[in-house]
Amino acid sequence: GAVVSQHPSWVICKSGTSVKIECRSLDFQATTMFWYRQFPKQSLMLMATSNEGSKATYEQGVEKDKFLINHASLTLSTLTVTSAHPEDSSFYICSARTTFGGANTEAFFGQGTRLTVV
Amino acid sequence: GIQVEQSPPDLILQEGANSTLRCNFSDSVNNLQWFHQNPWGQLINLFYIPSGTKQNGRLSATTVATERYSLLYISSSQTTDSGVYFCAVDAGKSTFGDGTTLTVKP
Repeated sequence: GAVVSQHPSWVICKSGTSVKIECRSLDFQATTMFWYRQFPKQSLMLMATSNEGSKATYEQGVEKDKFLINHASLTLSTLTVTSAHPEDSSFYICSARTTFGGANTEAFFGQGTRLTVV
Repeated sequence: GIQVEQSPPDLILQEGANSTLRCNFSDSVNNLQWFHQNPWGQLINLFYIPSGTKQNGRLSATTVATERYSLLYISSSQTTDSGVYFCAVDAGKSTFGDGTTLTVKP
């Protein structure tokens, strides 16, 4: 299957600082990338959907000024957690997919980033 | 929005046993995927199955789109099958079920 690489795998940051997480599709062009958040022993919650060259679409309840998403190319999307606080500590996962014949294809996931804000 | 329900929430098996995991969804979907989340959090793609039946080794899956459910079969389970199994549906955007936590005991 296709490969999606997410970096870093884990990060510890001080409260009030910003953290950037990268998501790259290594062997395909991702027309759409997704960002999810997962708390311990819970399911994945979609935060936002981004299409290359367009502004991200955020889910209800997700602060777009706090979670900045950039999808500048067909192989790279970034999530920046601004002014991080301990309650932002979580597991963040990206996924990517392309379209074929106008239809959405299978989505592939990055390894995830475990963020701890101290 | 669309509702996705997985059952059972927890499943404990003896090594070698077979199991069936179910995913019900409340509306028509464009596609459906099954994943296994390993202990490190990585989601492993198992099946991309908007309809029909697929098999891959000891695993197989069936989606009956008209009746809005999908089944994941695991045969001759192994301890390495332990983990959380998610189904996710795409009806414009991806929605995950709450998962089934599988524990396979030696």
